[in-house]
Amino acid sequence: KQEVTQIPAALSVPEGENLVLNCSFTDSAIYNLQWFRQDPGKGLTSLLLIQSSQREQTSGRLNASLDKSSGRSTLYIAASQPGDSATYLCAVMSNYGQNFVFGPGTRLSVLP
Amino acid sequence: SQTIHQWPATLVQPVGSPLSLECTVEGTSNPNLYWYRQAAGRGLQLLFYSVGIGQISSEVPQNLSASRPQDRQFILSSKKLLLSDSGFYLCAWSVGRPQAFFGQGTRLTVV
Repeated sequence: KQEVTQIPAALSVPEGENLVLNCSFTDSAIYNLQWFRQDPGKGLTSLLLIQSSQREQTSGRLNASLDKSSGRSTLYIAASQPGDSATYLCAVMSNYGQNFVFGPGTRLSVLP
Repeated sequence: SQTIHQWPATLVQPVGSPLSLECTVEGTSNPNLYWYRQAAGRGLQLLFYSVGIGQISSEVPQNLSASRPQDRQFILSSKKLLLSDSGFYLCAWSVGRPQAFFGQGTRLTVV
């Protein structure tokens, strides 16, 4: 059974810092991995999708990498801003499933 | 473009009352549809998913049920709510197995 973990659980940084969020999964037979952002009391917004054959994806200040063999993905946020404050979740879809397994999330606070 | 609608946004219901949450998707055909629950301090838990009309898979036994009466409509129901049903309910869709897109969620408080 696929299990997804995320560290740290919470992170507080001053504005302008570069930061890395980590996601680990136990079963490397994944179809894809997706990073989401969730603002308090809101739904999830998709940030980046990495297919199993890819090693990284970039969107603006965000860069996500995938190392299937070690069961890890990282989300790199450059030059963080207060507007980046949210909970960040990663989710994996396995090769043999139709659903997404989520990590518990990392709650990020960027201080002005 | 594709959009997903979920309502209501918030709901306060007494214990023992029925529940009906609705989710509809526009701009796509034959989507996979999902219901997730996010309890306070916990991650997202998959409740149900559907790959077609009338096809519902349940991930965890519980007090809830799901139905898909139309291609782009997914309904989450309960005959009698429990306190433990409180949480944030999210509907999502995908086509095939690429990206998942989520609705804005329903905050359910059972009192």
